[in-house]
Amino acid sequence: SAVISQKPSRDICQRGTSLTIQCQVDSQVTMMFWYRQQPGQSLTLIATANQGSEATYESGFVIDKFPISRPNLTFSTLTVSNMSPEDSSIYLCSVGGPRDRGGYEQFFGPGTRLTVL
Amino acid sequence: AQTVTQSQPEMSVQEAETVTLSCTYDTSESDYYLFWYKQPPSRQMILVIRQEAYKQQNATENRFSVNFQKAAKSFSLKISDSQLGDAAMYFCALFGNEKLTFGTGTRLTIIP
Repeated sequence: SAVISQKPSRDICQRGTSLTIQCQVDSQVTMMFWYRQQPGQSLTLIATANQGSEATYESGFVIDKFPISRPNLTFSTLTVSNMSPEDSSIYLCSVGGPRDRGGYEQFFGPGTRLTVL
Repeated sequence: AQTVTQSQPEMSVQEAETVTLSCTYDTSESDYYLFWYKQPPSRQMILVIRQEAYKQQNATENRFSVNFQKAAKSFSLKISDSQLGDAAMYFCALFGNEKLTFGTGTRLTIIP
């Protein structure tokens, strides 16, 4: 499985500001994913980020609020823009397993705990 | 749309005993995959076990095994010889149509 790191691990931010979360993988991967986990809730997919193309957003998530970059096959960023207290969540990135070996599972980073005051 | 349902918000088990976590799902896909993930307080999501829908044989990983009932769309997780380190949130997940969908989770407590 891939080793995935995220920065920052946690942050406390003021309303109206933006935070960029970084996700680094130790191997090249085609598909990277960003999830939100609100307090006490399950994981919800925000978007899928493939290198060299625009991210694909799920219903309820828009690029202006959650812009994503995917400059290469080992790195991605998620920005949470114009934050409000409702954005307080854990944000996780994940990568897909090797499809040519039947890897449909996803491996997750340690998450970024965001608190918005 | 695909859905995953975990009807047990919380479960507890005595250390060294066996516990079964329930999961049902719904999908229109014929080709899909099922997973159980564990999320301890550290919040790291850890893959526990996977099951390919086309395989009839139930997956097993050491103390963890599943009971996959395809016709009933049921996918339960059995943990044998429970250990203190098994305490966590457990999420059932379904991969289909290029998307991974999670259930709401079951919080497992291990009683020493």
